[in-house]
Amino acid sequence: DVVMTQSPLSLPVTLGQPASISCRSSQSLVHSDGNTYLNWFQQRPGQSPRRLINKVSNRDSGVPDRFSGSGSGTDFTLKISRVEAEDVGVYYCMQGTHWPWTFGQGTKVEIK
Amino acid sequence: EVQLVESGGGLVQPGGSLRLSCAASGFTFSNFWMYWVRQAPGKGLEWMAIIKQDGSEQYYVDSVKGRFTISRDNAKNSLYLQMNSLRAEDTAMYYCATDSRGRFWGQGTLVTVSS
Repeated sequence: DVVMTQSPLSLPVTLGQPASISCRSSQSLVHSDGNTYLNWFQQRPGQSPRRLINKVSNRDSGVPDRFSGSGSGTDFTLKISRVEAEDVGVYYCMQGTHWPWTFGQGTKVEIK
Repeated sequence: EVQLVESGGGLVQPGGSLRLSCAASGFTFSNFWMYWVRQAPGKGLEWMAIIKQDGSEQYYVDSVKGRFTISRDNAKNSLYLQMNSLRAEDTAMYYCATDSRGRFWGQGTLVTVSS
């Protein structure tokens, strides 16, 4: 199975400051159809996961533009340009290229 | 508005069975792959099973292969997960999801396997 490794696992951030989460995969996430199925999810406390970013860098509908995704191959990054209080939660990267699809361990974002 | 509503969770003894359901609305159910994802208490997320639009293909993670069966009824806009030979480690919140590897999710249904 493809192993997704996130860092850091805990991220205390000051309101209004940027935040960055790294995600590395144990093998290339380029699919045979040419797409790279790397998604980012946010899970607020007590809620279901919500997809923020699909295929590396495409923001889902309704997702604030302070969230951005980048990367290629095996190295990916989620950035929050200015953290707001509502961004508290756990963030997961996920690969949908190789079955079984797999998630990273999660990064807990909290306000300092 | 897309809605996914899971049901069927509860307390079951080890070795027992349970059938989860997911009622879908707000989209053309028969056009989309459907998924089951679970999350053990305080833990991360795990994709468990996926099923093609017409039900002709299903894929499972190794930990549930041979014990769980994913199915769907497009006439009823419903997704199912038949869980047999349940183990303590199957205790989790079970979510159904859909669209492009997880665009939409339900609120989940809790399964507890314990004697």
